[in-house]
Amino acid sequence: DVKVTQSSRYLVKRTGEKVFLECVQDMDHENMFWYRQDPGLGLRLIYFSYDVKMKEKGDIPEGYSVSREKKERFSLILESASTNQTSMYLCASSPPRDRGFWELFFGEGSRLTVL
Amino acid sequence: QQQVKQSPQSLIVQKGGIPIINCAYENTAFDYFPWYQQFPGKGPALLIAIRPDVSEKKEGRFTISFNKSAKQFSLHIMDSQPGDSATYFCAASKDYGGSQGNLIFGKGTKLSVKP
Repeated sequence: DVKVTQSSRYLVKRTGEKVFLECVQDMDHENMFWYRQDPGLGLRLIYFSYDVKMKEKGDIPEGYSVSREKKERFSLILESASTNQTSMYLCASSPPRDRGFWELFFGEGSRLTVL
Repeated sequence: QQQVKQSPQSLIVQKGGIPIINCAYENTAFDYFPWYQQFPGKGPALLIAIRPDVSEKKEGRFTISFNKSAKQFSLHIMDSQPGDSATYFCAASKDYGGSQGNLIFGKGTKLSVKP
């Protein structure tokens, strides 16, 4: 089975702290994604990466950065956490998009609370 | 143009009923339309997907109907069961070329199937 593992299920941080969310996938997927999930707003794309050391901004990149030093690992970084970043963060990976069936595999999420 | 609009936000049906969730899009470059299912405490998982060259796709009790001219697609769940209670997300994707791709998600529909 494809597995996307997010290092922390629950985190509580204080305003201004630096926060690292780690994600590891075991299927040698090229693409990796970070989404944010909020009630009533659905899933919003923060950043994605289609190769090691490559990254692309999604719809809401402000206040976030990412790192992809190895193919299997994609990290989301909040340089200075703020209360409006309290949310559920979902990591996903996928094989290359092609003309056929294409699927994102999600982790179980990291619920971040910023006090 | 990047949005996918999903309705209703929530839906309650009796066991055996046929819930219908609707989505609409504007960007005619979208060429892949999946539906994801998310149970509480879990990440979303692909349920069923369609490309615009077909008008309907059925997998078990789940059916996608696609209307290309109206730029709308919908999910129907036949003979719904309490175990189908989950949040459902429609999504759309376009071909960026190469292996890249990402999904634009609707805001989700929370479905509750009463026994």
